[in-house]
Amino acid sequence: AQSVTQPDIHITVSEGASLELRCNYSYGATPYLFWYVQSPGQGLQLLLKYFSGDTLVQGIKGFEAEFKRSQSSFNLRKPSVHWSDAAEYFCAVGLSGSARQLTFGSGTQLTVLP
Amino acid sequence: GAGVSQSPSNKVTEKGKDVELRCDPISGHTALYWYRQRLGQGLEFLIYFQGNSAPDKSGLPSDRFSAERTGESVSTLTIQRTQQEDSAVYLCASSLTGGRTEAFFGQGTRLTVV
Repeated sequence: AQSVTQPDIHITVSEGASLELRCNYSYGATPYLFWYVQSPGQGLQLLLKYFSGDTLVQGIKGFEAEFKRSQSSFNLRKPSVHWSDAAEYFCAVGLSGSARQLTFGSGTQLTVLP
Repeated sequence: GAGVSQSPSNKVTEKGKDVELRCDPISGHTALYWYRQRLGQGLEFLIYFQGNSAPDKSGLPSDRFSAERTGESVSTLTIQRTQQEDSAVYLCASSLTGGRTEAFFGQGTRLTVV
């Protein structure tokens, strides 16, 4: 069965510092990969997605992620974190590329220090 | 509407009672999804509606859970004889089609069963 692991439950960084959130997956084939962000009191918002092609994908809000097939990873990065980035981040995988039956990780809570 | 709207935002119910959760998708979106998010866990897929096709109910955890959708509009998720383990945030999402189009999530309904 497919699974998604986000090893870091909680990460704290200072504003302006770089950020990397880890995501590893277990799947029978190369899945479609997503990162979502959930701010307090809000629904999930899609940051970026990987379907095929260039393994480095750019998303909204200055985020990027790199798909590494050999490591079954899809880590999210941002070179300089802003206070407004404080939120919970979810990695998700799916076979079809749609939101149908996505498998989500348990999330990483990001705290940004001033 | 401007986004996916869910009501109520919070619901406290007694064990054994039935509850109905409502989702208003974005106008024109043919696909609608329900997910459950338990505390400290990722989202679990519950059910998927696509146009007039039979819904994909493969994620419903028990026969106490059911959902309906009227055409391509409002959906209700019903939980009968609620149990404490049903306590979670229930998230609804919609997308333009059931394919690789982006899913937009509502803010969720926080259900607490006491």
